[in-house]
Amino acid sequence: EIVLTQSPATLSLSPGERATLSCRASQSVSSYLAWYQQKPGQAPRLLIYDASNRATGIPARFSGSGSGTDFTLTISSLEPEDFAVYYCQQRSNWPPGITFGPGTKVDIK
Amino acid sequence: QVQLQESGPGLVKPSQTLSLTCTVSGGSISSGSYYWSWIRQPAGKGLEWIGRIYTSGSTNYNPSLKSRVTISVDTSKNQFSLKLSSVTAADTAVYYCARETNVDTATSIDYWGQGTLVTVSS
Repeated sequence: EIVLTQSPATLSLSPGERATLSCRASQSVSSYLAWYQQKPGQAPRLLIYDASNRATGIPARFSGSGSGTDFTLTISSLEPEDFAVYYCQQRSNWPPGITFGPGTKVDIK
Repeated sequence: QVQLQESGPGLVKPSQTLSLTCTVSGGSISSGSYYWSWIRQPAGKGLEWIGRIYTSGSTNYNPSLKSRVTISVDTSKNQFSLKLSSVTAADTAVYYCARETNVDTATSIDYWGQGTLVTVSS
């Protein structure tokens, strides 16, 4: 079973700063990694799929990179609405399914 | 625009069976290559994938829940359902239904329901 770890657990930044979030897989997941944003009381929203592709309607300040076991979500300049929890997710061939990382909370410094 | 909506009891007694239904609108549950999934989130915690059903009716479940979970689909009503048996307080969570896309490659979840809180308590 592939395990995802995310770091840091919490990232305290100011609006306008750059955010760099990490997701590491316990074994290679190729490029099959997605990122989600979740705000309190809301369902998660897909930001990035296949490691680096922005989902429909996602602003260009969000970018994803990586392959294999190490992935990064970058928010180039934080807007007030970007303070939220971010999850990475991978698909598993065996057992078949998907798993999520534990999340990174981006809060206001 | 696809929309998903969960429905079902918000309170379930311990040892009983939790039953939820997800109604899909804006598209047919039978068309395209998608998985229809259930995911849950205990208060203040992360996301846990419960399982999925394919348009063909085949299912996959989280191994940690497999013995207690059944997911089914009713294409005539454009709905899919979750049953979780022998619930305990640890099953208290917000339950989301969702659509998984890119099923053969970079599977991700492009549509989510709003979520429904299910509390297990006597």
